[in-house]
Amino acid sequence: DIVMTQSPDSLAVSLGERATIDCKSSQSVLYSSNNLNYLAWYQHKSGQPPKLLVYWASTRQSGVPDRFSGSGSGTNFTLTISSLQAEDVALYYCQQYYNTPSLTFGGGTKVEIK
Amino acid sequence: QVQLVESGGGVVQPGGSLRLSCAASGFAFSSFGMHWVRQAPGKGLEWVAVSSYDGTKTFYADSVKGRLTVSRDSSKNTLFLQMNSLRPEDTAVYYCAKDLSSGDYLGAMDIWGRGTKVTVSS
Repeated sequence: DIVMTQSPDSLAVSLGERATIDCKSSQSVLYSSNNLNYLAWYQHKSGQPPKLLVYWASTRQSGVPDRFSGSGSGTNFTLTISSLQAEDVALYYCQQYYNTPSLTFGGGTKVEIK
Repeated sequence: QVQLVESGGGVVQPGGSLRLSCAASGFAFSSFGMHWVRQAPGKGLEWVAVSSYDGTKTFYADSVKGRLTVSRDSSKNTLFLQMNSLRPEDTAVYYCAKDLSSGDYLGAMDIWGRGTKVTVSS
């Protein structure tokens, strides 16, 4: 299985400031034939279902605010919240879908307000 | 609107069985792969199983292989998870999720239900 490692485990950011979450995969999730990274990001708020934010590493899902952006390629990826809002307090997970059907998630990063 | 609603969770003794259901609405259920994902208490998300759009292909995490079975009834727009030989480590909230891409499945999940809680305890 591909192991997904997120850092940090948690971070506290002031309202309006930038939050950055890193995700590393134990092997590349870049498919050379189409040059796509098989990497998604999800937001999970307490008591709610997870929400898809980004897929193909950098494609924002419809309806997701543009303060959320994904970047990276190969084995190193980043989710950035450019200006943290109160409603962004949540757990964030990366997930690889390169090695289907064995899908794996990162351990999660908790984002709080400082 | 697009919606997934899970049901069937509860408390069961080790070695027991449960059948979870996931009712889908607002999209062409028979065109999309469907997943089960779980979250144990205090833990992160763990992918459990997937069914291709037509149910002919199913795959499982090693941790549940041979004990959990995913199936679907397209006439009822419903996904199922038959859970046998349950263990305490199966205790979790179980979510069903729709695959992002039509066809067999891609592996990214764009619509999730609110989950149903399964507790395995004596």
